Amino acid sequence: EIVLTQSPGTLSLSPGERATLSCRASQSISSSYLAWYQQKPGQAPRLLIYGASSRATGIPDRFSGSGSGTDFTLTISRLEPEDFAVYYCQQYGSFRTFGQGTKVEIK
Amino acid sequence: QVQLQESGPGLVKPSQTLSLTCTVSGGSISSAAYYWSWIRQHPGKGLEWIGYIYYSGSTYYNPSLKGRVNISVDTSNNQFSLKLSSVTAADTAVYYCARESRGGGLDPWGQGTLVTVSS
Repeated sequence: EIVLTQSPGTLSLSPGERATLSCRASQSISSSYLAWYQQKPGQAPRLLIYGASSRATGIPDRFSGSGSGTDFTLTISRLEPEDFAVYYCQQYGSFRTFGQGTKVEIK
Repeated sequence: QVQLQESGPGLVKPSQTLSLTCTVSGGSISSAAYYWSWIRQHPGKGLEWIGYIYYSGSTYYNPSLKGRVNISVDTSNNQFSLKLSSVTAADTAVYYCARESRGGGLDPWGQGTLVTVSS
């Protein structure tokens, strides 16, 4: 099983700042089969990024994904008030597993 | 626009079988482009992938659920279902259904349904 470790656990930032979230895999993920999701309280997760760097339909371009192999990053270039949420990475190269999440909170 | 909706009992007794159905609207479950997935989230915790089914009936399950899971598809009603047997309190969670593109990524998701295992 591929274990995904996200860091940091919590990120305290102000609106307008840049957020950088990390997702590290216990082994290489084939073909960059990695996705990112945003989840707000009481809501289902929403797909942001698939294939490590492709934005899902309707996702603003302030969200970007990068990385390959075992190290992946989600970047939010300038935080909007609606971006404060929990973010999960997920790999789909071997079965499917999720990271434990990073909470982006208002500083 | 495809939408998914979970349905089923919100309370299940220990040792019994949890059964949920996901109804797909706005698109066909028989599309070759997608897998139909179940995911759960324990209260206040992260996400756990349960498994998926393809329209042909082929399935792929999380090995950690140790053979307790069965996912089936009903193409005539555009639904797919989850059965989880021998449940315990540890199976209490919000259960989501979602569509996975063969290119990757779960989208869209249902709103989720809370299932509590308790006597």
